[in-house]
Amino acid sequence: AQSVTQLDSQVPVFEEAPVELRCNYSSSVSVYLFWYVQYPNQGLQLLLKYLSGSTLVKGINGFEAEFNKSQTSFHLRKPSVHISDTAEYFCAFYSGGYQKVTFGIGTKLQVIP
Amino acid sequence: KAGVTQTPRYLIKTRGQQVTLSCSPISGHRSVSWYQQTPGQGLQFLFEYFSETQRNKGNFPGRFSGRQFSNSRSEMNVSTLELGDSALYLCASSFATGRNTEAFFGQGTRLTVV
Repeated sequence: AQSVTQLDSQVPVFEEAPVELRCNYSSSVSVYLFWYVQYPNQGLQLLLKYLSGSTLVKGINGFEAEFNKSQTSFHLRKPSVHISDTAEYFCAFYSGGYQKVTFGIGTKLQVIP
Repeated sequence: KAGVTQTPRYLIKTRGQQVTLSCSPISGHRSVSWYQQTPGQGLQFLFEYFSETQRNKGNFPGRFSGRQFSNSRSEMNVSTLELGDSALYLCASSFATGRNTEAFFGQGTRLTVV
């Protein structure tokens, strides 16, 4: 079965502290991995994506993620968060075999001033 | 260039009615996907259209249907609305499917069924 698990539904973190949002996937075929961010009352915006090559991927707004094939994980990190990072973050993967994108349930990041 | 446009932004309907939502993709994009977003279920895939053909379908009842026109604009229809259909409906467009696909999302249509 194809699935994405975001292990934390909510993550509170103080401003300027580091944060890691966890994502694990399950797929029997090769996948391409994405992180999206959704600000209140907005659609989703792509943060970063992993297609191949270097397992460390850098995205917008200072975020980065590391693909770990053996652990089937794609955790999102930022060394120092800002108030404006308060949003919901979705991990997703594209499976060529199914030709569709599967999303996780989302993690709400709350940055505390 | 213009982004993905969804209309209307907000909609209130009563149970039993039907509703049609519209999505205009980014110019040149041929793939349009629809998602339902609710607090408890997250993003659920409804269906994807590519060049006027439904290529993929999620696990939703037949009350949910869609179509895509020759200009790639897409509509989603929900018949016999139920209270549980209240959600944010998101449309995403992409240039092509495959590994280089990036989905661009609209701001969504928030449907409230009363």
